[in-house]
Amino acid sequence: DAGVTQSPTHLIKTRGQQVTLRCSPKSGHDTVSWYQQALGQGPQFIFQYYEEEERQRGNFPDRFSGHQFPNYSSELNVNALLLGDSALYLCASTYGVVEQYFGPGTRLTVT
Amino acid sequence: QKEVEQNSGPLSVPEGAIASLNCTYSDRGSQSFFWYRQYSGKSPELIMFIYSNGDKEDGRFTAQLNKASQYVSLLIRDSQPSDSATYLCAALSNDYKLSFGAGTTVTVRA
Repeated sequence: DAGVTQSPTHLIKTRGQQVTLRCSPKSGHDTVSWYQQALGQGPQFIFQYYEEEERQRGNFPDRFSGHQFPNYSSELNVNALLLGDSALYLCASTYGVVEQYFGPGTRLTVT
Repeated sequence: QKEVEQNSGPLSVPEGAIASLNCTYSDRGSQSFFWYRQYSGKSPELIMFIYSNGDKEDGRFTAQLNKASQYVSLLIRDSQPSDSATYLCAALSNDYKLSFGAGTTVTVRA
């Protein structure tokens, strides 16, 4: 049973560029959440997708957007990258709203 | 005020001892609480969750919840070197937001 998968593993981008990160949820899970984790901090909630709709959003600017596909996989898009966007981006999936299981993450470096 | 606060670390315990981790939350509407373990360079791994007042035990781990005091704790009994990691406390609000604390780093000395 495959767990949550994310791609790519690492990514280096330049300020002002755009990036797309991808996530496939654990089998049987229909809800995907995205988090940003800066070094030495806990994960910060970006948004959650359920039934292809953004159900809830954290305190992140509109530069952060997402999408969920009919097969429940999801994308996180970040436009106009800033140096401060450098972080580990985590995707978590769940069925229902209780336990969330995290993928391995994508390490984004903005130079 | 942060939504979830954890006792500042790092916490160093000898092998075989009990490690005690504490967490408080500000949103009284939070219903479920989670403890994750995160090894350096890895993603968080769910240890256990609790939603009723009292204790919940799973192997060497015991979670405790006191909603009146808005307090959650995690006890790790018979600590092993493999327990050395950062432990994250998280609270799930009624509007589906999962808020994390900054984490407490635990080192188990052999």
